[in-house]
Amino acid sequence: AQSVTQLDSQVPVFEEAPVELRCNYSSSVSVYLFWYVQYPNQGLQLLLKYLSGSTLVKGINGFEAEFNKSQTSFHLRKPSVHISDTAEYFCAVSDQTQGGSEKLVFGKGTKLTVNP
Amino acid sequence: KAGVTQTPRYLIKTRGQQVTLSCSPISGHRSVSWYQQTPGQGLQFLFEYFSETQRNKGNFPGRFSGRQFSNSRSEMNVSTLELGDSALYLCASRELAGGHYEQYFGPGTRLTVT
Repeated sequence: AQSVTQLDSQVPVFEEAPVELRCNYSSSVSVYLFWYVQYPNQGLQLLLKYLSGSTLVKGINGFEAEFNKSQTSFHLRKPSVHISDTAEYFCAVSDQTQGGSEKLVFGKGTKLTVNP
Repeated sequence: KAGVTQTPRYLIKTRGQQVTLSCSPISGHRSVSWYQQTPGQGLQFLFEYFSETQRNKGNFPGRFSGRQFSNSRSEMNVSTLELGDSALYLCASRELAGGHYEQYFGPGTRLTVT
């Protein structure tokens, strides 16, 4: 079964500092990887996704992630964070069945707090 | 297009009762999935429906059930509620069931069981 490990449960940073949120996955087959963001009292919003191709993926709000197959990692980065980036971030891997069903397997989440 | 909508947004129920949550997918999306989010277990997959058929089911007891209607709207039902069922229930829709298509999430229904 697929699994995702987010290495940090909480990450505090100062405004305008760079940030990296770490994610490792376990899979022996082709993977589709995602980062979602959840603001308080809201659902999940897709930040970016890796399906194939370039290992550097750019997403919304200035975020990017790098797929590293040898390290089985998909870390999320932003060069300069804003107060508004304070939220919980989830890394997920797609788990597909032969019948075409697909479910997302999520990590436990990383709470990013951006301080002034 | 309007996003995924879920009703109600908040719900308080008593242990032993049953509850029905509703999800309307994005227009044209035929697949609907449900996820449970709790502080302890995180985000867990409940089930996926496509063309009124359950395609996949997560590791939840039979008290959790769902269905999908011909217009792709979906409901999930939890019977004999337990305190541990308190959670945010998220619905996600995607365009097709085959291949990979991005899942779009609704705002969730916050269920509190007392």
